[in-house]
Amino acid sequence: EPEVTQTPSHQVTQMGQEVILRCVPISNHLYFYWYRQILGQKVEFLVSFYNNEISEKSEIFDDQFSVERPDGSNFTLKIRSTKLEDSAMYFCASSSTGNSGANVLTFGAGSRLTVL
Amino acid sequence: EDKVVQSPLSLVVHEGDTVTLNCSYEVTNFRSLLWYKQEKKAPTFLFMLTSSGIEKKSGRLSSILDKKELFSILNITATQTGDSAVYLCAGGGATNKLIFGTGTLLAVQP
Repeated sequence: EPEVTQTPSHQVTQMGQEVILRCVPISNHLYFYWYRQILGQKVEFLVSFYNNEISEKSEIFDDQFSVERPDGSNFTLKIRSTKLEDSAMYFCASSSTGNSGANVLTFGAGSRLTVL
Repeated sequence: EDKVVQSPLSLVVHEGDTVTLNCSYEVTNFRSLLWYKQEKKAPTFLFMLTSSGIEKKSGRLSSILDKKELFSILNITATQTGDSAVYLCAGGGATNKLIFGTGTLLAVQP
């Protein structure tokens, strides 16, 4: 069964460092998403991406965050200068259509980011 | 503000028991409600519900939506230890994002 793959599974970084989380969405999907889950809290939407541009972003997704699809397969989330509160599990997801009210998102296993 | 509320937060049952998980929602321009099962890895899709009163079933799991009262339930019959997981409910509206609840942690004891 097709799956979304994420790397790394766990990254530990120092506050102020840049991190890049990588995702390979399902090959025929066109819409890509990042969500995050701080330990013990809800899964929260960060950003959605379609046709090489952001289609929607949340208040969490400030100037420290960026997304990119550098080639035909990868979808990346960059955090420019990490803060302690960025420590969370980051989930990548993809879908074949763009309206989350009418399609199923397939999630990756997550990348756990720990900021020290 | 859009929100999804799940109850109970956690539940401990014995194998063979039947459980009902609850999800209420307030989502602008609501389109669908989704249930996911989250073990140690990726949330895996269970059901998507868009219409009231139509039960969706998959083996021992079933779910139904009430769009008038704005809630959904997920039933699991004859529970097994492999059903132990966090069950996530999420509402989808007119935009791309899903609004998640806090999840219900289900522990099934042998």
